Amino acid sequence: DTEVTQTPKHLVMGMTNKKSLKCEQHMGHRAMYWYKQKAKKPPELMFVYSYEKLSINESVPSRFSPECPNSSLLNLHLHALQPEDSALYLCASSQDWDTGELFFGEGSRLTVL
Amino acid sequence: AQSVAQPEDQVNVAEGNPLTVKCTYSVSGNPYLFWYVQYPNRGLQFLLKYITGDNLVKGSYGFEAEFNKSQTSFHLKKPSALVSDSALYFCAVRAPSGGNTGKLIFGQGTTLQVKP
Repeated sequence: DTEVTQTPKHLVMGMTNKKSLKCEQHMGHRAMYWYKQKAKKPPELMFVYSYEKLSINESVPSRFSPECPNSSLLNLHLHALQPEDSALYLCASSQDWDTGELFFGEGSRLTVL
Repeated sequence: AQSVAQPEDQVNVAEGNPLTVKCTYSVSGNPYLFWYVQYPNRGLQFLLKYITGDNLVKGSYGFEAEFNKSQTSFHLKKPSALVSDSALYFCAVRAPSGGNTGKLIFGQGTTLQVKP
């Protein structure tokens, strides 16, 4: 199984809503990532988990809250988002956090109204 | 600080012709270099990487890339383009040591358009 699965594929939420994005991998990878991507732009790193511990937080606003319940799962909790947070949110995993060879999911497209 | 540049926003080629997507980098020490491709409405897919060894690296879907240390370049190539190669291509670099410098730094991306 060489897939990273993200749900939901699409999400529309109001600025007062609370929602979560989910990511799952079963490749035994020890590092998992959240990226944010705007149209036609490179992905921007948000968070890195290594061995289920948060190792990098790229100064992301607290309205984004990551969670790694176990080595296969990664969540991104969303609360009080702004319209400018609308983007494609990509989850990725890798064998270890600094290999550079990432496996990406297909993303969750978020629209904030 | 490490950085990567993709000088062309878009590259247009005819199907069957060779293609080149350019990438130059700036990094202290020996670089780790990567190419990723993103098809419309999809996540990124790893194509190939250079860590050390042979300067010509072969990857997925018939793509290859040539590492040139003197020119600090890592251009992506394919001998014969397919319409299905049309996508957004990202070059990425990371420094070889650990800590925050282990992060991948992506270029701005190049849209490849292959016309029939």
